[in-house]
Amino acid sequence: NAGVTQTPKFRILKIGQSMTLQCTQDMNHNYMYWYRQDPGMGLKLIYYSVGAGITDKGEVPNGYNVSRSTTEDFPLRLELAAPSQTSVYFCASSYYQRYEQYFGPGTRLTVT
Amino acid sequence: GIQVEQSPPDLILQEGANSTLRCNFSDSVNNLQWFHQNPWGQLINLFYIPSGTKQNGRLSATTVATERYSLLYISSSQTTDSGVYFCAAPEETSGSRLTFGEGTQLTVNP
Repeated sequence: NAGVTQTPKFRILKIGQSMTLQCTQDMNHNYMYWYRQDPGMGLKLIYYSVGAGITDKGEVPNGYNVSRSTTEDFPLRLELAAPSQTSVYFCASSYYQRYEQYFGPGTRLTVT
Repeated sequence: GIQVEQSPPDLILQEGANSTLRCNFSDSVNNLQWFHQNPWGQLINLFYIPSGTKQNGRLSATTVATERYSLLYISSSQTTDSGVYFCAAPEETSGSRLTFGEGTQLTVNP
């Protein structure tokens, strides 16, 4: 199993541009999550999904959108990028609620 | 929501030393996870430990859920143990999103 994979690893965006961060898991997990990590901090939840077609907001959803059309994929869309979105983005998955979460390698995003 | 506090915030050790990292949480939890974030930024799962004690090589963890704390023990530390150690506890809402502590920055010197 590859586990949780994310692309790209790094990206630099100009203010106002848009992009999609990709996340795929091959563990047949129901729950998927997007977190962001700002320098020197722990992770904060952006959005999560409990299954295909079902998504909900986390702590810091503004400026982001998600979709979940399959069990495996959970892309995160940034519209109109702002410098405040400079961060490292982690995707995670778990089999079910309260089960162990597994994290991808992260995407380092800089908005200038 | 749940509050998670870690101590100490920073720890510097000589190779071969032992250490204990602490994680306090404000509410009862159904599980707790410990992670190691290595210098390349990867988050590595160390333990999933709702209660009791688990061991994995030189690392072990104990969670006392009734007293709302967890401890991570590192024995015979190595330079590769350097990085940030996070504990995280799930919220009952938000799909059990993990609330992370602010981490313990561990530096192991040769």
